Amino acid sequence: AQSVTQLGSHVSVSEGALVLLRCNYSSSVPPYLFWYVQYPNQGLQLLLKYTTGATLVKGINGFEAEFKKSETSFHLTKPSAHMSDAAEYFCAVMPNNAGNMLTFGGGTRLMVKP
Amino acid sequence: GAVVSQHPSWVICKSGTSVKIECRSLDFQATTMFWYRQFPKQSLMLMATSNEGSKATYEQGVEKDKFLINHASLTLSTLTVTSAHPEDSSFYICSAISRFPLPEAFFGQGTRLTVV
Repeated sequence: AQSVTQLGSHVSVSEGALVLLRCNYSSSVPPYLFWYVQYPNQGLQLLLKYTTGATLVKGINGFEAEFKKSETSFHLTKPSAHMSDAAEYFCAVMPNNAGNMLTFGGGTRLMVKP
Repeated sequence: GAVVSQHPSWVICKSGTSVKIECRSLDFQATTMFWYRQFPKQSLMLMATSNEGSKATYEQGVEKDKFLINHASLTLSTLTVTSAHPEDSSFYICSAISRFPLPEAFFGQGTRLTVV
């Protein structure tokens, strides 16, 4: 069984400020971890993923996330927020065995103030 | 990268009619596809797992006779909302898993269904 918790359904930052979106997971097997972004009335776009290897993962649009096994976390960060970053962000986990089902967190809406 | 195409993007239909939504994996074969429903300001809710050549697996609480899923080929899954009612209005998203080099989920653009 696996689950994903995103702390904070809404996060508001000023343009240029640090973005930190939190994600904690539980999984019975080592997981693959993903962050997706969703703009209004659109599907999900992959920001970045962790599968194996380096625990600090860099993605598109300047985002990065660090897999911390001891904390079962995969927080998403960006040094400087841009207005275009305003969207819904979803953390997801997939078991790295034969099953390929994604489990999503509840989502975090990022708002960027000018 | 791999692409999943979902059609239509928007559909408005009358109560009592049926609506078919298509999900295609454009450059990879997907033996498994997933259908999600998303209510406003909420996360994605898995409705069913579509398996090529066999019956779909529905999540608890999802009516299989209401939401018909067909996965007739390795690149196409369809979701048909039968006898649609206003409460079926929602955003529906499909996903397909590419297994190589490592498993990764790709999502369609979503379908906004409005039943009037």
